[in-house]
Amino acid sequence: DQQVKQNSPSLSVQEGRISILNCDYTNSMFDYFLWYKKYPAEGPTFLISISSIKDKNEDGRFTVFLNKSAKHLSLHIVPSQPGDSAVYFCAASPTFQGAQKLVFGQGTRLTINP
Amino acid sequence: GAGVSQSPRYKVAKRGQDVALRCDPISGHVSLFWYQQALGQGPEFLTYFQNEAQLDKSGLPSDRFFAERPEGSVSTLKIQRTQQEDSAVYLCASSPWTSGPYEQYFGPGTRLTVT
Repeated sequence: DQQVKQNSPSLSVQEGRISILNCDYTNSMFDYFLWYKKYPAEGPTFLISISSIKDKNEDGRFTVFLNKSAKHLSLHIVPSQPGDSAVYFCAASPTFQGAQKLVFGQGTRLTINP
Repeated sequence: GAGVSQSPRYKVAKRGQDVALRCDPISGHVSLFWYQQALGQGPEFLTYFQNEAQLDKSGLPSDRFFAERPEGSVSTLKIQRTQQEDSAVYLCASSPWTSGPYEQYFGPGTRLTVT
């Protein structure tokens, strides 16, 4: 049972344009969401997060949007740069007491073309 | 400062062998996590430690998997009688927090191949 889904295995975007990565979740207990970026042979690196009390969080070129009613979140990168080419993972966490684990999606491979 | 380190980075084991994977978390981080990442998939939670206490081991796939963190710092994930389906990247993560959902800091992983 995949509780966090990233339905696009790959995405190709022109340098300078906007990249939009999508993520859907099924568990209504999830109320904190994170995006991680992963380069080959390295561990995932934290990018940005959002709590369910917000619908948008912005950090430089990265913005995460959360639509709780649709159980959907997205990561916008603008403008896209060649160094953004990586695999992006969406992750979710329930905040009930003691819950510390992250539940990850399958990842989306983003390629930025010069 | 130094990040999370894991060793070995690559491990090849013959089916039936035992393996031990080591994780050195960021100094002072009380929480430590192990995840398993199969090829083409996202990381899947295995187990969680707060200091030396293993508070959640719900993700361990079988009793062949065992994790410990005896002094609340370094952790070891042991897999006994390895099988081909154990082939994956094993990721360790740490965080300075003991409650709430906050980001975790990941190591580079150990790629285990069982032949």
